[in-house]
Amino acid sequence: DVKVTQSSRYLVKRTGEKVFLECVQDMDHENMFWYRQDPGLGLRLIYFSYDVKMKEKGDIPEGYSVSREKKERFSLILESASTNQTSMYLCASSLSPGLGSLLDEQFFGPGTRLTVL
Amino acid sequence: GEDVEQSLFLSVREGDSSVINCTYTDSSSTYLYWYKQEPGAGLQLLTYIFSNMDMKQDQRLTVLLNKKDKHLSLRIADTQTGDSAIYFCAETVYGNKLVFGAGTILRVKS
Repeated sequence: DVKVTQSSRYLVKRTGEKVFLECVQDMDHENMFWYRQDPGLGLRLIYFSYDVKMKEKGDIPEGYSVSREKKERFSLILESASTNQTSMYLCASSLSPGLGSLLDEQFFGPGTRLTVL
Repeated sequence: GEDVEQSLFLSVREGDSSVINCTYTDSSSTYLYWYKQEPGAGLQLLTYIFSNMDMKQDQRLTVLLNKKDKHLSLRIADTQTGDSAIYFCAETVYGNKLVFGAGTILRVKS
């Protein structure tokens, strides 16, 4: 079974702190994704990566950065946390190389609920 | 632009059928998906349909696709309390990127 793990289930930080959210997958997937989930807005893509050291901006990258130094690990960084970054953060991974004609099932971690005070 | 829309809330009685609707915008989507999120958990792929199909049935689940109207629906027969969750519709827009709807909260009353 594919397993995607996230370093914390709950996190409380103060405004201005630097925050690291870690995600690890154990199935040698090429693609990894970071989303935030907010009520009524669904999932919004922050950043994704299709290979080690590669990253692409999603729909809402402002205030975030990412790091992918190893294939299995994808980190989301909040350089200076703000209260509007309080949210549920979901990491996902997928195997497909993204040819568009294959089933690109994404496997999700359990999420990190971040509160910024 | 890419947009996936779905109603936010559905309440049904146990044993009834549930129908969750979704509209999408990208006519080139190869696959359309339904993901389920149970309380306190991440999303899990529930079912999917390939864009050249009109219908797919999998036990209690029926997916209907109307490509002309860009309308996707998920029917759950004999809905159980364990089906209470948030259901997300999603489409592939290009490469491996998915666009998700806002999610429909399904509440099943016993």
